[in-house]
Amino acid sequence: SQELEQSPQSLIVQEGKNLTINCTSSKTLYGLYWYKQKYGEGLIFLMMLQKGGEEKSHEKITAKLDEKKQQSSLHITASQPSHAGIYLCGADGETNDYKLSFGAGTTVTVRA
Amino acid sequence: GAVVSQHPSRVICKSGTSVKIECRSLDFQATTMFWYRQFPKKSLMLMATSNEGSKATYEQGVEKDKFLINHASLTLSTLTVTSAHPEDSSFYICSARLASSPYEQYFGPGTRLTVT
Repeated sequence: SQELEQSPQSLIVQEGKNLTINCTSSKTLYGLYWYKQKYGEGLIFLMMLQKGGEEKSHEKITAKLDEKKQQSSLHITASQPSHAGIYLCGADGETNDYKLSFGAGTTVTVRA
Repeated sequence: GAVVSQHPSRVICKSGTSVKIECRSLDFQATTMFWYRQFPKKSLMLMATSNEGSKATYEQGVEKDKFLINHASLTLSTLTVTSAHPEDSSFYICSARLASSPYEQYFGPGTRLTVT
């Protein structure tokens, strides 16, 4: 099965500062998803990347998938309290059955 | 984006009883829904794939007789935890995949199950 490792496990950032979260896969990534979760709630879809070298942005969040398609990064610019939460990366398996494997998550705390 | 609801959001039940959790896609048809389980500060673990009109497919290690899944319509899947035990206490989340855009998967808000 595909294993995803996220780093860091948690981070605290001062409001207005940038932050980066990494997601590394044990296998080639065919589809990489980023979700945000608040503790005890469901997942909010952020972005999905498929192609090597792909980069997508939405508001202050940018996600990239490296050329070799085994690592993705999520970058938040000028963080705000609303960015606090748990960020999860998920990946499609090569069988194309749309079953997602997830990383353990990165807990982001934004301090005012 | 598409909306997926779950009911109930929280449930407390006694050991030995069964509890049903509903997952509904509110504004789209979902031929496939997934059920996940999440332990505190842990990632989501896929339990099973629920396909409308056919039997669910369970992941290795998940007891199909304990976690009964029914996908009765294109907008509803149910997970029944039978003969619940305290170790079944967890956060259960469902997701639904758009038939028209299979890479899009939307998650419900989750159900917190506590077995006493």
